[in-house]
Amino acid sequence: QVQLVQSGAEVKKPGTSVKVSCTASGYTFNFYYMHWVRQAPGQGLEWMGRINPNSGDTNYAPKFQGRVTMTRDTSISTAYMELSRLTSDDTAVFYCARDGETNDMDYWGQGTLVTVSS
Amino acid sequence: DVVMTQSPLSLPVTLGQPASISCRSSQSLVSGDGNTYLNWFQQRPGQSPRRLIYKVSNRDSGVPDRFSGSGSGTDFTLKISRVEAEDVGVYYCMQGTHWPWTFGQGTKVEIK
Repeated sequence: QVQLVQSGAEVKKPGTSVKVSCTASGYTFNFYYMHWVRQAPGQGLEWMGRINPNSGDTNYAPKFQGRVTMTRDTSISTAYMELSRLTSDDTAVFYCARDGETNDMDYWGQGTLVTVSS
Repeated sequence: DVVMTQSPLSLPVTLGQPASISCRSSQSLVSGDGNTYLNWFQQRPGQSPRRLIYKVSNRDSGVPDRFSGSGSGTDFTLKISRVEAEDVGVYYCMQGTHWPWTFGQGTKVEIK
């Protein structure tokens, strides 16, 4: 069965960066885009972007362009999302989600809580 | 960006009664390939989102048939024919037609 397992919670200082990992199993990693979605506490979902694991090509939402970097390591079926210049507004749960092939996401990771605090 | 507007934002429902959530987009969601990429997700308390419906009306495997999606163009609806206790949570519509993909604000379904 498809599983996406994310790295653990992080506490970061403002101005620093965080890198979250997402390890996939149960399917061929290279065949499906991986998306990243942000959810601030008590708030809605926000699409950040996606990466093509096969080519490494990325598409970022304009809001995060310049601050987010999505990468992957195909040898260990893992996708990464790095967000830089963190502020308290970046305190959120970050989800990875597999592309559903109908312009959506069909499987989601368990989420990684990132807390930005001085 | 395409703005997705859901209503209501809060929906108290009696067990066994129907529920309906509206989702309107600021632009038509008909893609150049003829498909309409409007999807619905459920997020139960403390859980990750789960896809319920894709391309307007297609139910995911394992999703009860009391859930149905409909609509076209800019106006879409998610219906629950008879609400059960396990349906409590927040429901989001999401468009995948225009970059960047965008979600609605979410509708919180709770039991009266």
